[in-house]
Amino acid sequence: KAGVTQTPRYLIKTRGQQVTLSCSPISGHRSVSWYQQTPGQGLQFLFEYFSETQRNKGNFPGRFSGRQFSNSRSEMNVSTLELGDSALYLCASSFLQAGVSDTQYFGPGTRLTVL
Amino acid sequence: DAKTTQPNSMESNEEEPVHLPCNHSTISGTDYIHWYRQLPSQGPEYVIHGLTSNVNNRMASLAIAEDRKSSTLILHRATLRDAAVYYCILIRDTGNQFYFGTGTSLTVIP
Repeated sequence: KAGVTQTPRYLIKTRGQQVTLSCSPISGHRSVSWYQQTPGQGLQFLFEYFSETQRNKGNFPGRFSGRQFSNSRSEMNVSTLELGDSALYLCASSFLQAGVSDTQYFGPGTRLTVL
Repeated sequence: DAKTTQPNSMESNEEEPVHLPCNHSTISGTDYIHWYRQLPSQGPEYVIHGLTSNVNNRMASLAIAEDRKSSTLILHRATLRDAAVYYCILIRDTGNQFYFGTGTSLTVIP
């Protein structure tokens, strides 16, 4: 079974631009969660989608948004990029709604650099 | 949000047991304790989880204090491949609040 895939793996943007990151979950998984990882803040939860509905959201500004398609693939969008948005963005999928007794499987991440 | 506290770093000799502690004094009755680890240049991977009782799997053991305010991940025989950042996470069954914290960076010495 193929793992979680994220595209692109590396991305360079300039301040003020917007970016869209893509995540394809493991086949059959309906939950997709997004995380931001930076050296200073560590791993921070952005949001989770389950069956095309956003179920949970972390403490990030409205510039960060996402969506999930009927095939469970998910996209994350960041508008008006700031230097502080430079980070590794990780996607994780699980069969059930992410939580309690279900394992999350992480992708390799997209490294975003904002210049 | 219920949060966890872990030491920033630990060292272990290869083939010796490792005990990675985690404090979660504000844990609620519905919070499950999960452990993930992140190898260099990879996304995190699941290690183990539990609620109240100690748990064992092929990767590790999880010992949970009776009052649930702390837990310990036990690697029975550390290998070089176990060098990673280990995260202790509380996951609430109602709100799915994820808080990874900064984790413990484990160095395994050959």
